[in-house]
Amino acid sequence: SQQGEEDPQALSIQEGENATMNCSYKTSINNLQWYRQNSGRGLVHLILIRSNEREKHSGRLRVTLDTSKKSSSLLITASRAADTASYFCATDARGDSSYKLIFGSGTRLLVRP
Amino acid sequence: GAGVSQSPRYKVAKRGQDVALRCDPISGHVSLFWYQQALGQGPEFLTYFQNEAQLDKSGLPSDRFFAERPEGSVSTLKIQRTQQEDSAVYLCASSSLNEKLFFGSGTQLSVL
Repeated sequence: SQQGEEDPQALSIQEGENATMNCSYKTSINNLQWYRQNSGRGLVHLILIRSNEREKHSGRLRVTLDTSKKSSSLLITASRAADTASYFCATDARGDSSYKLIFGSGTRLLVRP
Repeated sequence: GAGVSQSPRYKVAKRGQDVALRCDPISGHVSLFWYQQALGQGPEFLTYFQNEAQLDKSGLPSDRFFAERPEGSVSTLKIQRTQQEDSAVYLCASSSLNEKLFFGSGTQLSVL
C-alpha cells in the first residue's frame, strides 16, 4: 500500500508554463522527498524537505510542506520539454521504520514543445 | 562505480521458472533497498539491508521472494516459481545516510 497520493494523476502543459503537483500523506513524517522518473529509467532524487521546514527551493523547483494538512506541493517553473517525466513524492515514517521510504502513485507530466 | 547498476535490464521468464536479479550499489553505501514497481504505479517497498544484515523484509509478497547481500555490497533478489503477477520492474536503491536514495535503472521482469 502507498502512503502518498499525488494529484493530478496526469498533467499536460505548454513549454514555458508552470507545473504544480500535489501530494498528500497519512502519517507523521521526518521528511518528504520528491523524485523524478523518466520512462524506463530509475528514479532520480530532486529535493528533500524536512518536517520543520515550510518551503524549499532548488533551481526551477519549489517545494512546500504543510504538516498540519499532511500535504506537499512541487512547483516547476518555466517548464521545458525535458521536464516530461513522472514525479513521485516519498515519505518516511517516524519511529523504528524511518529508513523506509513510501512512494505515492505519481503524477505524469507532459510538457508540449 | 558511478551509480547503482542492475542486471539484467530485461528478463523474460516462463511461469514456474526461478529468476535472480542483481544489484551493484554505489561503493561505500551502507543501506540497500529493493522496490517493486507495477506499470503506472509508484515503487513499493520490498526489503532493506544495512550492510549484510537484512533488517526489514516486510514488503516481500510471499516466501517465493528471497533477497541476500552476503558481503554487504552486491545484492541478489531471487524469485522462485515465478507467477504472472510477479511481472513488474524491480528497482534497487542505495544510500549512505538513509535519506536520499540513489536508484538503478531497474530490471523489467515479464513472466509468461
